[in-house]
Amino acid sequence: AQSVSQHNHHVILSEAASLELGCNYSYGGTVNLFWYVQYPGQHLQLLLKYFSGDPLVKGIKGFEAEFIKSKFSFNLRKPSVQWSDTAEYFCAVTIQTGANNLFFGTGTRLTVIP
Amino acid sequence: DAGVIQSPRHEVTEMGQEVTLRCKPISGHNSLFWYRQTMMRGLELLIYFNNNVPIDDSGMPEDRFSAKMPNASFSTLKIQPSEPRDSAVYFCASSHRVGGRGNEQFFGPGTRLTVL
Repeated sequence: AQSVSQHNHHVILSEAASLELGCNYSYGGTVNLFWYVQYPGQHLQLLLKYFSGDPLVKGIKGFEAEFIKSKFSFNLRKPSVQWSDTAEYFCAVTIQTGANNLFFGTGTRLTVIP
Repeated sequence: DAGVIQSPRHEVTEMGQEVTLRCKPISGHNSLFWYRQTMMRGLELLIYFNNNVPIDDSGMPEDRFSAKMPNASFSTLKIQPSEPRDSAVYFCASSHRVGGRGNEQFFGPGTRLTVL
């Protein structure tokens, strides 16, 4: 069965620190990959997505992610975080030619200290 | 585009009562998803529809939960009877499936359900 692992449950950073959140998935076929963000009290919003092409994907608010097929990974990065990045981040995977549902990781809570 | 619309935004009810949550997907989207989010269990997929047809309801916790999608612009999630452990935020999401490729989902604002 497909699964998505986010090993960091809670990350605490100071403003201007660099961020990298890990995401690994288990599926041998072609996948589409997503990162969603959920700000406190709000719904999930798309940060970025990868379908094909350049494995380095740039999203909104200065976030980027790199798809490394050999490692089944899609880590999220940001060079300098801000207090407003405090949120929960979800990695998700959908399988091309499969059902249309997303498989979500358990989420990583990011707390940025001013 | 109004996005995914959910109602009510907040619902407080007593144990044993029937609860109906409503969702209007983005116009033109052909897939609709119901999720539940709690602190303990995180984000769980309850059921999803493609072209108004339920595809996978394996995430529906019990027979007390049921979902319908009578047309492309409306879906309901019903809990009858409700229990305190059903308290959660329920999200609806929609997407447009192109060919065989799963696409990004757009989430509604959620319904925060409290069962006393």
